[in-house]
Amino acid sequence: EAQVTQNPRYLITVTGKKLTVTCSQNMNHEYMSWYRQDPGLGLRQIYYSMNVEVTDKGDVPEGYKVSRKEKRNFPLILESPSPNQTSLYFCASRRAALSGNTIYFGEGSWLTVV
Amino acid sequence: RKEVEQDPGPFNVPEGATVAFNCTYSNSASQSFFWYRQDCRKEPKLLMSVYSSGNEDGRFTAQLNRASQYISLLIRDSKLSDSATYLCVVKAGNTGKLIFGQGTTLQVKP
Repeated sequence: EAQVTQNPRYLITVTGKKLTVTCSQNMNHEYMSWYRQDPGLGLRQIYYSMNVEVTDKGDVPEGYKVSRKEKRNFPLILESPSPNQTSLYFCASRRAALSGNTIYFGEGSWLTVV
Repeated sequence: RKEVEQDPGPFNVPEGATVAFNCTYSNSASQSFFWYRQDCRKEPKLLMSVYSSGNEDGRFTAQLNRASQYISLLIRDSKLSDSATYLCVVKAGNTGKLIFGQGTTLQVKP
């Protein structure tokens, strides 16, 4: 079954404690991205990756890091989380940036930073 | 001005009603257009792509007006199960970036 898997699904953490949200896709997609979703602001792109070892900033990259060492994995790293990073996070993938249309989302990760 | 704008609603309609959502986009070079559906606290899922000539999928009809830069989604004979948030998504032609609207919330009441 084609899927995007992200973990953890729910997390409460404290300010400043580094955390990583993992993301893995089994569709051999080149393009992967991370979004955060906040009330009234919709889905905003944090980082994206066009392929292995190629990453770039989205619209709201501050406070986040990513890596793309393998095609299937695209972890999101919060080096020093702050309360304004409390949000619902989605990892997503699609075949390619220009030719791929359908985007597949993971189930989402609810992150609370206290 | 936001790149993709939607009326957030909520739209409250009775079962069986016909409801229409509009979405406007600012970049005339936008290449592809989609409607996604998002249930509460779940991930968005593709509902349908929007083609220049308009397209239909059962009770759902999508239309594109490039001259006025808007797309629309019409839902006929609304069901309780149609209650969700509908996201308008526009793909930039030069970069392939997907830009999401805020979403329009639909509540279908018995």
